[in-house]
Amino acid sequence: DSGVTQTPKHLITATGQRVTLRCSPRSGDLSVYWYQQSLDQGLQFLIQYYNGEERAKGNILERFSAQQFPDLHSELNLSSLELGDSALYFCASSVGTGWDEQFFGPGTRLTVL
Amino acid sequence: GENVEQHPSTLSVQEGDSAVIKCTYSDSASNYFPWYKQELGKGPQLIIDIRSNVGEKKDQRIAVTLNKTAKHFSLHITETQPEDSAVYFCAASKRDRLAFGKGNQVVVIP
Repeated sequence: DSGVTQTPKHLITATGQRVTLRCSPRSGDLSVYWYQQSLDQGLQFLIQYYNGEERAKGNILERFSAQQFPDLHSELNLSSLELGDSALYFCASSVGTGWDEQFFGPGTRLTVL
Repeated sequence: GENVEQHPSTLSVQEGDSAVIKCTYSDSASNYFPWYKQELGKGPQLIIDIRSNVGEKKDQRIAVTLNKTAKHFSLHITETQPEDSAVYFCAASKRDRLAFGKGNQVVVIP
């Protein structure tokens, strides 16, 4: 158990809908990262927050957004969902930034029908 | 951006033999190279990492080597055991974001 929690574990929805994925980092970690894992693209970095502020942005679509709250939990919002958004979404956390080890949560499996 | 490639995509080894996974990266400014292990139904877990000022690092049966000139690094697992069966990801980073390879499925045959 990494100490990072993600809810829900599974999510099934329809195209065009909007969903919110939630992540609670390890106690004491200030950074939260979001990744998308699909069979053809592997693990893709989406976005990072550090102590409530956006720190780095990766291959995140405009239909997706994220935020980190004062209690340091984070939410990833996915809207206007398409079939191709079906994937595993992982949250990771680390103490700081840079070379700190990232601890991954168990992931949320999103299925868009 | 950084591009990381892993080879081979699948590797089968007999229990007790060694396994080697190789990765190449494109950005010469990358300076941090972690390896993650992902078991079925779980998130990736860091197993070893190396900084660019070090050429080799060992931790029990696992070792990583880095060749900055050639821009490649490798994971070596010795005396493989069934519990080593998993998907292994390499990654490269020069700041906060990690660029991952697509992963290697390692199967240890008892």
